[in-house]
Formats: sequence, structure tokens, C-alpha cells
Amino acid sequence: EAGVTQSPTHLIKTRGQQATLRCSPISGHTSVYWYQQALGLGLQFLLWYDEGEERNRGNFPPRFSGRQFPNYSSELNVNALELEDSALYLCASSFRPYNEKLFFGSGTQLSVL
Amino acid sequence: KQEVTQIPAALSVPEGENLVLNCSFTDSAIYNLQWFRQDPGKGLTSLLLIQSSQREQTSGRLNASLDKSSGRSTLYIAASQPGDSATYLCAVDSYGGATNKLIFGTGTLLAVQP
Repeated sequence: EAGVTQSPTHLIKTRGQQATLRCSPISGHTSVYWYQQALGLGLQFLLWYDEGEERNRGNFPPRFSGRQFPNYSSELNVNALELEDSALYLCASSFRPYNEKLFFGSGTQLSVL
Repeated sequence: KQEVTQIPAALSVPEGENLVLNCSFTDSAIYNLQWFRQDPGKGLTSLLLIQSSQREQTSGRLNASLDKSSGRSTLYIAASQPGDSATYLCAVDSYGGATNKLIFGTGTLLAVQP
């Protein structure tokens, strides 16, 4: 069984550009979560999608947005990139939205120059 | 506001030693606590999930305990191996707002020397 897959593995952008990151959850999982892991800041919760709806978002500006598709895959969009957006972006999925183990992908390393 | 702390930040032990990693949290109103490992440049691998009603969980050489009232969890690794070298993260899923908004500690970097 395939795990959570993320693409691309690495992404290099310049300040002001837009980045799109993609995530495919484990088959049968309906909840998808996005986390940011920046150097020195640890893992920070970004967004949670379940059944196509945004259920919660962390303390990030509106230029961080996303969506979940009918097949439960998800996209994270970051507009107007800033240097401090450079980080490892991790996607996770779970079978049910509450009180479940989270399974993480290997992440997308975003570098903003 | 829930805060999660892990001590020590780094640990180096010889192969075969038993070791304990510590995690503390400030708000005892949690659904569960999870332990993960992260290898360099990689995602997280779920190790153990302890429900708030449970005291411990075991998987192979790993044993995690939870004392909700004191806001503490420990991860015990028996007979450590070089392959255990990684960063270990604990995370709590708190009441209030949405669940599954895990609050992570900053991790313990473990090095097991052959």
C-alpha cells in the first residue's frame, strides 16, 4: 500500500512568485493536513482538510491557501513568496478526522531566493 | 495555550543502552499524545499513539507512557541500535478548536554510536 506522496520533492522559487505543492493521501484516508517545518521553528500546523472542506487553519497569513479534491488529494498554494517561507512542507493524512494516527509524507523542500 | 517541551535536546549513547526521552506539556486537556521519529530531510514516521485514557503503549523495543495529570510522557527505547538514530518528536492533540491540530515539541536528536 502506497504511503502519503508529495510532489515536488524540491522547489526553488524567487521572492514574490507563487508555489504549488501537492499531496496524495493514503488510499481510504479522507483527512489531509499540512505542516510547515522551518529551521529553528519546529513543526507548525498550517491547514486541515476533511471531505473537501477546510476544517481549520493555523496562524498563517491568507496567502497560504489550499484545497482538497474529490479524490481527497490536496494542494497547498503559497502566494507572494517571502524569504521566510523557505521550509520543509509536510503533508499528513488520517483515516478519520479525530483521534487518529497521522501518516506523513516525505515533504517538499521549498527554497525562496 | 498548549506548549510542548522535550528534554534533552540531544542525546548520544553507545549501542545496546536503554534510554528514555522526555516530553512535557502544559495543558492536560488532550485527546492523545503521539511519538514520531524523523530522519534527516525526511517526513515523520508515527511510532506510538497513546489515548488520553491510556497509561502506556508498546511496540517492539519501544514503550511510551503518559501521565496526563502531571503533563508528562516518556519514550523508552530498549537495547538501542545505530538504526534508532533520528530526531524523536512528541505531539499532543488538545481539546478546544479543531482536533488533529497537533502541537509538536522541538524534538530530541538521538545518536546511537556503534
